[in-house]
Amino acid sequence: EAQVTQNPRYLITVTGKKLTVTCSQNMNHEYMSWYRQDPGLGLRQIYYSMNVEVTDKGDVPEGYKVSRKEKRNFPLILESPSPNQTSLYFCASSLAGPPAYEQYFGPGTRLTVT
Amino acid sequence: AQSVTQPDIHITVSEGASLELRCNYSYGATPYLFWYVQSPGQGLQLLLKYFSGDTLVQGIKGFEAEFKRSQSSFNLRKPSVHWSDAAEYFCAVGVYYTDKLIFGTGTRLQVFP
Repeated sequence: EAQVTQNPRYLITVTGKKLTVTCSQNMNHEYMSWYRQDPGLGLRQIYYSMNVEVTDKGDVPEGYKVSRKEKRNFPLILESPSPNQTSLYFCASSLAGPPAYEQYFGPGTRLTVT
Repeated sequence: AQSVTQPDIHITVSEGASLELRCNYSYGATPYLFWYVQSPGQGLQLLLKYFSGDTLVQGIKGFEAEFKRSQSSFNLRKPSVHWSDAAEYFCAVGVYYTDKLIFGTGTRLQVFP
């Protein structure tokens, strides 16, 4: 089944403790992206990647890192999480860059930073 | 700058009633327009999209949307809502040459039996 998977689905952590949220797609998509969803703000893009070893900042990149060493994986790294990074995070992928190509979304990761 | 506005934060309708969710965009050229649905605990699923051509587009689950350039709108409609349509709906505009989508803030739909 074609899908985007994220792990973990739920995570509670403390300020400053490094964490990684994994994202993997099995559709051989070139484009991958991370969003955060906050009430009243909709989805905002954090980082995106057009292909392996190619990443770029989205609208809200501060406090996040990404890497794209393999085509299928695009982990999101929070080196020193803070409470303002408490949010719902979505990974998405598409055959090539939007808007011409449909983005497929993962189920989301709900992160709480205390 | 490009932007998307969904003026209704929360809408409640009775099952079987018609539905219209509003979306307005700000973009200099003809945009790529999308509607996504997010069911509870799920990721976003594409309902429909407009790139060019016929301004009335049909999507999945019985939804349709109409692009009105003069009003900078792309409203989502459904003639008869089902309880399973309760979800959050997001309008998005695709910005060509920037490799990104800009999302609205969402409209939460509640359906009463």
